Amino acid sequence: SQTIHQWPATLVQPVGSPLSLECTVEGTSNPNLYWYRQAAGRGLQLLFYSVGIGQISSEVPQNLSASRPQDRQFILSSKKLLLSDSGFYLCAWSPQGFSGNTIYFGEGSWLTVV
Amino acid sequence: KNQVEQSPQSLIILEGKNCTLQCNYTVSPFSNLRWYKQDTGRGPVSLTIMTFSENTKSNGRYTATLDADTKQSSLHITASQLSDSASYICVVTPRGYNKLIFGAGTRLAVHP
Repeated sequence: SQTIHQWPATLVQPVGSPLSLECTVEGTSNPNLYWYRQAAGRGLQLLFYSVGIGQISSEVPQNLSASRPQDRQFILSSKKLLLSDSGFYLCAWSPQGFSGNTIYFGEGSWLTVV
Repeated sequence: KNQVEQSPQSLIILEGKNCTLQCNYTVSPFSNLRWYKQDTGRGPVSLTIMTFSENTKSNGRYTATLDADTKQSSLHITASQLSDSASYICVVTPRGYNKLIFGAGTRLAVHP
């Protein structure tokens, strides 16, 4: 069966520090991968998605970046965090051939920028 | 501009009662509409997926309906349980696009 792992689960970082959130998927190959952010009381916002190694699409311009160094690995990064980057970050995957497929979410990472 | 609107924003019901959550969308054309359940501090979990041609889909005590003419969907929860306390999120996929549009969710609290 397929599983998705995301870490760290919680993170408290000072403003201006770097960020790295990592996500891996097991039990499948060539998945679509996604990074979402959820601010308190708001809907999920798509940040990045990837349909293959090295293929990253950015939905929202910001100081975050994403990379996919391996087929089942997706990394969310920032060189300098802002207070507004605080939130709940979710990694997700879906089988290739997106439409109609279930999206599976990781457990999320709470980021607090102080 | 919010393309997926959910109501109510929050809801409190007593255990054993039924409830209905609403989702209105402006996304058109769309490929499918999903309902997710998200426990506090956890990732969302899929409840139902309906294509634009489907009217209803059930998953245990959860029944989703879709009216593509009025662009409305509802999620009906029967005989609620304490474990139903969560946020319920309506998600629409525009046709031809590889992304999801999320509603802000309805926070449901089931009290004993």
